[in-house]
Amino acid sequence: GENVEQHPSTLSVQEGDSAVIKCTYSDSASNYFPWYKQELGKRPQLIIDIRSNVGEKKDQRIAVTLNKTAKHFSLHITETQPEDSAVYFCAASMGAAGNKLTFGGGTRVLVKP
Amino acid sequence: DAGVIQSPRHEVTEMGQEVTLRCKPISGHNSLFWYRQTMMRGLELLIYFNNNVPIDDSGMPEDRFSAKMPNASFSTLKIQPSEPRDSAVYFCASSLSGSNSPLHFGNGTRLTVT
Repeated sequence: GENVEQHPSTLSVQEGDSAVIKCTYSDSASNYFPWYKQELGKRPQLIIDIRSNVGEKKDQRIAVTLNKTAKHFSLHITETQPEDSAVYFCAASMGAAGNKLTFGGGTRVLVKP
Repeated sequence: DAGVIQSPRHEVTEMGQEVTLRCKPISGHNSLFWYRQTMMRGLELLIYFNNNVPIDDSGMPEDRFSAKMPNASFSTLKIQPSEPRDSAVYFCASSLSGSNSPLHFGNGTRLTVT
């Protein structure tokens, strides 16, 4: 089955700096890669996703890049703010029946004011 | 839309007791997932249903765990008998299958087994 590795497990950045989280996946058939943000005590919420026919996608201060050849994808957060502090999860799916997602282990991001 | 609704939000029970967690998916979604989240193991997929049919239950840890989806708007996850190591946050999520549509999570049930 699919295996998703995520790095780093923790990331501390100064407010205003950029944060980058990287994920690799094992199954070349995966074609959908969402990112979720989970604040303390709350549910994971989708913040951005990318499909395999696209190399990069941006939404305001966040962007995701995908390299299908290397089987890795990354989340970039620019101009970080304290409210960006959370745990971020990457995931991969083959889009088969039920859209089963395999999640990475998560990255705890702390933005220092 | 009220989103995915889970109950109860918190459950504290003694070892050996039966626990039932409940989930109502988003109306119109035909895929439903049960995840367990712990510090040590992260987000683990326990089981998922498509059109009320269990598709993959390979993540269910052992026979003490069972899940049902009697209709499109309701699912249960049951643990019998419960053990302290089952303590975790259990999330239910739903999506519209076949389209890589986003997965929407409920607020979770925090289970503590003493």
